[in-house]
Amino acid sequence: QKEVEQDPGPLSVPEGAIVSLNCTYSNSAFQYFMWYRQYSRKGPELLMYTYSSGNKEDGRFTAQVDKSSKYISLFIRDSQPSDSATYLCAMKSQAGTALIFGKGTTLSVSS
Amino acid sequence: DGGITQSPKYLFRKEGQNVTLSCEQNLNHDAMYWYRQDPGQGLRLIYYSQIVNDFQKGDIAEGYSVSREKKESFPLTVTSAQKNPTAFYLCASSPDGANYGYTFGSGTRLTVV
Repeated sequence: QKEVEQDPGPLSVPEGAIVSLNCTYSNSAFQYFMWYRQYSRKGPELLMYTYSSGNKEDGRFTAQVDKSSKYISLFIRDSQPSDSATYLCAMKSQAGTALIFGKGTTLSVSS
Repeated sequence: DGGITQSPKYLFRKEGQNVTLSCEQNLNHDAMYWYRQDPGQGLRLIYYSQIVNDFQKGDIAEGYSVSREKKESFPLTVTSAQKNPTAFYLCASSPDGANYGYTFGSGTRLTVV
């Protein structure tokens, strides 16, 4: 079992839809959880950061962490064509020295 | 503006040649990382360095080498021993511990011709 699993998609939605992106993980020591957005041929940029369990909201984006289920989610409300990108989840334990990434989900939002 | 600069953006290499990818940061971050990204494979860690003059192998270090002589710089050399070097290479940096994530560079696309 891989440490972090992420459905690669592709996921296609119409403009204005609510998008749900998810990752599961196996290491119960993970405490730091991030979502990165990567446009084609660009470097990833940090979108959301969450420590331990709970929700975090930033504009149209909400990140959720459920440590009991080892499951994290990113919700995008009122999706826009500019949200079309690959979304990578990443996580880390306190003792870890590097982030562990999911393989990324490719999202396409059509106008 | 602070950030990470990777150069060049595109690089072509003949088989059997070594090539060096540049990564410079002015964020005063202690740790730096190199990742390789292939379609369907996600990000795979090549090398990382948490302090000057020290670095550790990641998951796929074979055929690569690095140096960390300055805090700001972490160049990656792709050697002729790397059997499949064509990929998108990403450099990242973080404050010590990386608990709050990385800042990434814009990447270098390496193609072997």
